[in-house]
Amino acid sequence: DTAVSQTPKYLVTQMGNDKSIKCEQNLGHDTMYWYKQDSKKFLKIMFSYNNKELIINETVPNRFSPKSPDKAHLNLHINSLELGDSAVYFCASSQELSQHYGYTFGSGTRLTVV
Amino acid sequence: GEDVEQSLFLSVREGDSSVINCTYTDSSSTYLYWYKQEPGAGLQLLTYIFSNMDMKQDQRLTVLLNKKDKHLSLRIADTQTGDSAIYFCAVLDSNYQLIWGAGTKLIIKP
Repeated sequence: DTAVSQTPKYLVTQMGNDKSIKCEQNLGHDTMYWYKQDSKKFLKIMFSYNNKELIINETVPNRFSPKSPDKAHLNLHINSLELGDSAVYFCASSQELSQHYGYTFGSGTRLTVV
Repeated sequence: GEDVEQSLFLSVREGDSSVINCTYTDSSSTYLYWYKQEPGAGLQLLTYIFSNMDMKQDQRLTVLLNKKDKHLSLRIADTQTGDSAIYFCAVLDSNYQLIWGAGTKLIIKP
């Protein structure tokens, strides 16, 4: 299936741990994104990569580090997890940076920090 | 910067039309989008409209754009229970960044 796939779907972990979320797209898109959706459903962009290069890095703590080994993958590594990191994290991709045709989203990773 | 606003909730009866509204501030916005998020799922692109258009229709969905008032709406005809979801308005600003509204939760009454 052509899609944006994220793993894992659910992640429960203790404060202070380090965890990674993986994202892969097989749509041949050039640009990939990480979004955070809080409990009120607000969407906040975290990172944007175009052809493996970082384009947008919003005011995100440096405990969050994206890694793009190739243009089909954008992983998110989080160090020293905090309670406030609990949220749903969405990966998305678009054909190009100007994203005229919209984004394709993954189904999300629900991160719970206890 | 661009600001996009939507009401947080809309309640309609099954079979009626739903109209979800969105206002934005940047008059140079080029593309405007509607996304749907069902419970526990990712966001799905429903439709988009280019800023030189006033209206776009796709089956039960009608998008209206009033550039003068910077107002975008999504009309869903014959609303069904499967339309229950959160609908996000998003606007492409002049820096090619997508600015999102807070989402409107559509509640269907039987």
